[in-house]
Amino acid sequence: KAGVTQTPRYLIKTRGQQVTLSCSPISGHRSVSWYQQTPGQGLQFLFEYFSETQRNKGNFPGRFSGRQFSNSRSEMNVSTLELGDSALYLCASSLAGLAGLETQYFGPGTRLLVL
Amino acid sequence: EDKVVQSPLSLVVHEGDTVTLNCSYEVTNFRSLLWYKQEKKAPTFLFMLTSSGIEKKSGRLSSILDKKELFSILNITATQTGDSAVYLCAVRVRDDKIIFGKGTRLHILP
Repeated sequence: KAGVTQTPRYLIKTRGQQVTLSCSPISGHRSVSWYQQTPGQGLQFLFEYFSETQRNKGNFPGRFSGRQFSNSRSEMNVSTLELGDSALYLCASSLAGLAGLETQYFGPGTRLLVL
Repeated sequence: EDKVVQSPLSLVVHEGDTVTLNCSYEVTNFRSLLWYKQEKKAPTFLFMLTSSGIEKKSGRLSSILDKKELFSILNITATQTGDSAVYLCAVRVRDDKIIFGKGTRLHILP
């Protein structure tokens, strides 16, 4: 069974630009969660999508948004990039999402550098 | 504000030693506590704990939760160099959010 895939793996952008990251979950998984990981703040929850609906959201500004498609693939968008958005963006998939009790599986991440 | 605190932040031991990693939390509406191992890539799941006092084991790793004192420990016995990683603790809360600690960076010397 293929794991969680994320594209692109690496990305360099400049301040003010926007970026779209993609996550394909494990086949059959309906939940995709997004996380930001930085050396200073550690791993922080961004939002979770389940069956094309955003179920919950962490404490991030409205510049961070996402969506999920009918095949459970998810995209995350960051508009008006700031230097502080440089981070590793991880997505994780699971069958029932954070409301369930089973584990979630992480993808390899997209490393974003904002110059 | 919900928070998860891990200690120590970093630890260096020799191969064969036993280590104990700590995770304390202050959250409203606790649902479960999870441990992950993160090497140079994505975190991999180790344990999920929901009930106090029940030890979960997987080979040389074990973990237990104390919901009264609001902490969990992760034990690794007979450590090996392959155990070198960042160990992350996370707590799920009832509004379906998840809060991570900053992690413990463990380095095993051969």
